[in-house]
Amino acid sequence: KNQVEQSPQSLIILEGKNCTLQCNYTVSPFSNLRWYKQDTGRGPVSLTIMTFSENTKSNGRYTATLDADTKQSSLHITASQLSDSASYICVVSWELGGSYIPTFGRGTSLIVHP
Amino acid sequence: NAGVTQTPKFQVLKTGQSMTLQCAQDMNHEYMSWYRQDPGMGLRLIHYSVGAGITDQGEVPNGYNVSRSTTEDFPLRLLSAAPSQTSVYFCASSYSRPAAGGAGIYEQYFGPGTRLTVT
Repeated sequence: KNQVEQSPQSLIILEGKNCTLQCNYTVSPFSNLRWYKQDTGRGPVSLTIMTFSENTKSNGRYTATLDADTKQSSLHITASQLSDSASYICVVSWELGGSYIPTFGRGTSLIVHP
Repeated sequence: NAGVTQTPKFQVLKTGQSMTLQCAQDMNHEYMSWYRQDPGMGLRLIHYSVGAGITDQGEVPNGYNVSRSTTEDFPLRLLSAAPSQTSVYFCASSYSRPAAGGAGIYEQYFGPGTRLTVT
């Protein structure tokens, strides 16, 4: 069964600190992996996306890495800000008949304290 | 360009009532889908559509109906609401594009969500 596991479930850090979120998956055949940021009360917004041929992708202070061999990804946040407080969701997609089927992780809840 | 819009933003129903959650997109995307999000759970796919006139079931379709008469609209119907359907519902539209290395990528855009409470 295709699964996406994220850790930790929640994380509290101080403003200005760095942090790393983890994503392990068993999705096959793998097509691409995306990290979303979801603010409270809003829909998810895409941060990064990587195909199997990419192993790192950055978006400002967010850097995602992908190891397709070990089926692991991480999202590193540098110099955290209060606005980074949100849920971060890892989504791994697989292709089925020309369509891409996403499998969602449960998310990591990040709280940044001043 | 409004993206993906959902109405209503909040709704309270009594058990057994019916209602329709509206979803519309103005990006001419072929793919649209409905998800529900519950505390401690990932987004779960209810129904999806790969084009006008074509719909299919996702992971948790029971208790929900959909139709896709136009590219723009993808309403979700609850025929007889149950407390277990209390959740936040997200509509999304997406399209696929080629990427480096021969892979494909789907670009998915989510609506703002509808918070539904069934008492």
